[in-house]
Amino acid sequence: AQTVTQSQPEMSVQEAETVTLSCTYDTSESDYYLFWYKQPPSRQMILVIRQEAYKQQNATENRFSVNFQKAAKSFSLKISDSQLGDAAMYFCAYRDQGAQKLVFGQGTRLTINP
Amino acid sequence: GAVVSQHPSWVICKSGTSVKIECRSLDFQATTMFWYRQFPKQSLMLMATSNEGSKATYEQGVEKDKFLINHASLTLSTLTVTSAHPEDSSFYICSARDRAKGNQPQHFGDGTRLSIL
Repeated sequence: AQTVTQSQPEMSVQEAETVTLSCTYDTSESDYYLFWYKQPPSRQMILVIRQEAYKQQNATENRFSVNFQKAAKSFSLKISDSQLGDAAMYFCAYRDQGAQKLVFGQGTRLTINP
Repeated sequence: GAVVSQHPSWVICKSGTSVKIECRSLDFQATTMFWYRQFPKQSLMLMATSNEGSKATYEQGVEKDKFLINHASLTLSTLTVTSAHPEDSSFYICSARDRAKGNQPQHFGDGTRLSIL
């Protein structure tokens, strides 16, 4: 079974600085999708960024980018120019290409210090 | 964009009662919906996958008779917590996939906070 591991329960960063959240996963599949979701105190799940495993180019969405290392099964999220509104729980998630369900990591709580 | 509406957002009820939570896809058809449970400061745990017109697929360890799932239409799935007890208190979140958009990500509802007294 696929597993997703986020080894950092908590992270903090100064406002306007850059922070990287780690995620590793385990799978025997070659085609799959990876996601980062943000869950603010409102508890709404917000998709931050997604990556298709067949794409070598790292996905980017404005201040958010990923470092996807397929061989190492690593999928880290970099947040540049951190803002107070970025404070939230961040979940890394995996999905097989042909599957329906997501497998979530344990989450990383990100605090932004003003 | 795609919107998933979950209702109610918060419910408090007495032990022994049954509680129904609705999950609706407002602007797309969802062949498949998912129900998650989240304890405080923990990750989302998939409870079951709900398929329109067929029986739900439950994850290991989830009691089918306790958590009844019905997916009678392409826009509505319901989760009923039967004879709820304090240990069932949790945050329940649904999500749905747009059947017309292949491998697009799931869209999440805003969740339901269930408190059993």
